[in-house]
Amino acid sequence: AQSVAQPEDQVNVAEGNPLTVKCTYSVSGNPYLFWYVQYPNRGLQFLLKYITGDNLVKGSYGFEAEFNKSQTSFHLKKPSALVSDSALYFCAVRDMGNTDKLIFGTGTRLQVFP
Amino acid sequence: DTGVSQNPRHKITKRGQNVTFRCDPISEHNRLYWYRQTLGQGPEFLTYFQNEAQLEKSRLLSDRFSAERPKGSFSTLEIQRTEQGDSAMYLCASSPGGGANVLTFGAGSRLTVL
Repeated sequence: AQSVAQPEDQVNVAEGNPLTVKCTYSVSGNPYLFWYVQYPNRGLQFLLKYITGDNLVKGSYGFEAEFNKSQTSFHLKKPSALVSDSALYFCAVRDMGNTDKLIFGTGTRLQVFP
Repeated sequence: DTGVSQNPRHKITKRGQNVTFRCDPISEHNRLYWYRQTLGQGPEFLTYFQNEAQLEKSRLLSDRFSAERPKGSFSTLEIQRTEQGDSAMYLCASSPGGGANVLTFGAGSRLTVL
């Protein structure tokens, strides 16, 4: 079965510093991987996805993610964090079959301090 | 295109009452998904529609839960005889058919069962 794991419940970083939010995956076949962000009392907003091709994927709001097949990881990164980046971040993997159904991790809360 | 719309945004009900949530997907999207999210957890898949056909249901979807998508447009999720454990955010998402698509989520409907 497809699954993702987010090993950190919370990540704290100072504004202006680089940030990394970790995600590892377990899949059968080639993974389709996604990152979403959730602000308080809001739905999930799509940030970026990896389907195939370049291992470094660029997304919205200056975020990027690196696909690493040997380490089965898909970590989310940003070179310089903003206080407004503080939110809940979810990694997800597309389920097997002919749908776009996603299986989500448990989420990582990112706190950026001024 | 106004995105995915969900109503009501917040519902407070007493245990044992029935509640219904509505989701209006992006108009050209033929795939529709319901997820449930509890505090501190990632979204969990409930059910999936392609057009008007309900093609997949999670074991999380007990007999008290029913979802419909008449005419392949809006969808409703009804919970009968609500229990306190049903308190959660109910998220709806839609995607177009074909390819590795991104799910677009609504803002969610938060259910509080007293």
